[in-house]
Amino acid sequence: KTQVEQSPQSLVVRQGENCVLQCNYSVTPDNHLRWFKQDTGKGLVSLTVLVHENDKTSNGRYSATLDKDAKHSTLHITATLLDDTATYICVVGDRGSALGRLHFGAGTQLIVIP
Amino acid sequence: DMKVTQMPRYLIKRMGENVLLECGQDMSHETMYWYRQDPGLGLQLIYISYDVDSNSEGDIPKGYRVSRKKREHFSLILDSAKTNQTSVYFCASSSSGTPNSDYTFGSGTRLLVI
Repeated sequence: KTQVEQSPQSLVVRQGENCVLQCNYSVTPDNHLRWFKQDTGKGLVSLTVLVHENDKTSNGRYSATLDKDAKHSTLHITATLLDDTATYICVVGDRGSALGRLHFGAGTQLIVIP
Repeated sequence: DMKVTQMPRYLIKRMGENVLLECGQDMSHETMYWYRQDPGLGLQLIYISYDVDSNSEGDIPKGYRVSRKKREHFSLILDSAKTNQTSVYFCASSSSGTPNSDYTFGSGTRLLVI
């Protein structure tokens, strides 16, 4: 059973627009949550990690929130660029150590058009 | 430049052949991982290695084995490849598995078993 659900599956936006990606999960315990960016044919690159109950992070044009009560996270991308075209993957870690498991969502495919 | 290197990038094998996927990292990370990524699914953990000769099965170890004789090198072996092992395989490493540790992914090996 999928424990990390991402929506939408795919999204097309025009360059300069903002967008929001959603992640809902049922992983327990939920120690931390990461957002990764995966360019086509490449590996995953970490964008941000959220740890605490109502965490908010910001990394340039990327910002993220985490609501552990609702088991929900959002990734906001502001003023999208063509290079933002990629798959964005939500990952929940069930422990804060190497003994924990990472639970991966299937990703949201973002396409930014001129 | 800290990185995880996977070889080869592309591989075509016949059913029943043996397959060796290689992964190296230059960050002295203790923990290394092998995942596979299939369309519409999140990454699935095949094996995890906590250090040299300290390996554990992940969620889908059947049909795979691993070898870690040096900290910087982690191999994935398929003895007698099957068509359902056609996938993209990712190697990753992390320093500790904690929320603040770096997770670094390789660019993947695309394996086609015919």
